[in-house]
Amino acid sequence: DAGVTQSPTHLIKTRGQQVTLRCSPKSGHDTVSWYQQALGQGPQFIFQYYEEEERQRGNFPDRFSGHQFPNYSSELNVNALLLGDSALYLCASSLSDTQYFGPGTRLTVL
Amino acid sequence: AQSVTQLDSQVPVFEEAPVELRCNYSSSVSVYLFWYVQYPNQGLQLLLKYLSGSTLVKGINGFEAEFNKSQTSFHLRKPSVHISDTAEYFCAVSDPGTGTASKLTFGTGTRLQVTL
Repeated sequence: DAGVTQSPTHLIKTRGQQVTLRCSPKSGHDTVSWYQQALGQGPQFIFQYYEEEERQRGNFPDRFSGHQFPNYSSELNVNALLLGDSALYLCASSLSDTQYFGPGTRLTVL
Repeated sequence: AQSVTQLDSQVPVFEEAPVELRCNYSSSVSVYLFWYVQYPNQGLQLLLKYLSGSTLVKGINGFEAEFNKSQTSFHLRKPSVHISDTAEYFCAVSDPGTGTASKLTFGTGTRLQVTL
C-alpha cells in the first residue's frame, strides 16, 4: 500500500515566481492537509481540503491557494514568491482522526 | 486557540539509557494528542496517538506516552534508547470535534541526540 507521495522532491525558484506542489494521498484517504515547515521549526497548518472544498485554513495569505481533484489528490499553489517562503512543504492525508505525512517538497526561493 | 509547548529543544542521552521528552498543551476543549518523529530530510512519521480511553499509550519502536489531563501534559518516554532513535520529535494537538482529522498544531520540536 503506497503511502502519501509528493512531487517534486526539491524545487528552486526566484522571488516573484509562482510554484505548484503536488500530493497524492494514501489509498482510501479523502482529506488532504498542507503544512509549511521552516528550518528549525514545527510544521504550520496552511489549509485542508475535503470533497474538493477548502475546509479549514491557517494564518497564511491569499498567495497560498490549493485545489483538490475528484481522485482526492491535491495541489498547493504559491504566487509572488518571497524569500520567506523557503521551507519544507508537507502534505498529510487522512480518513478519520489521524494524519499521515508525505516526505515533503523542499522549496528554495532565491 | 490551541498551543503546544515542548520544554526541551535538545535532549542528549547515552545509548541504552531511558529518556523522557516533555510536552504540554493548552486547549479550552477536549483534544487528540500525537507524537511524530522526523528523521533528517524526511517527512513526519506517526509514533503514537491519544484519542480516548487508557491514558497510557504505546507506540512504535518501544515508545510510550501518558496523557495527564490535570497537568495538560503528554510526555513521551522510552526505557532504553538506541542510536537509531536520533531524530527530531514533535508533539501535536488537534480538535476531535468534526469526524475527520482536524488541523494539527505542533510544538517547536525536541532534538533527541543519542550517543555511545
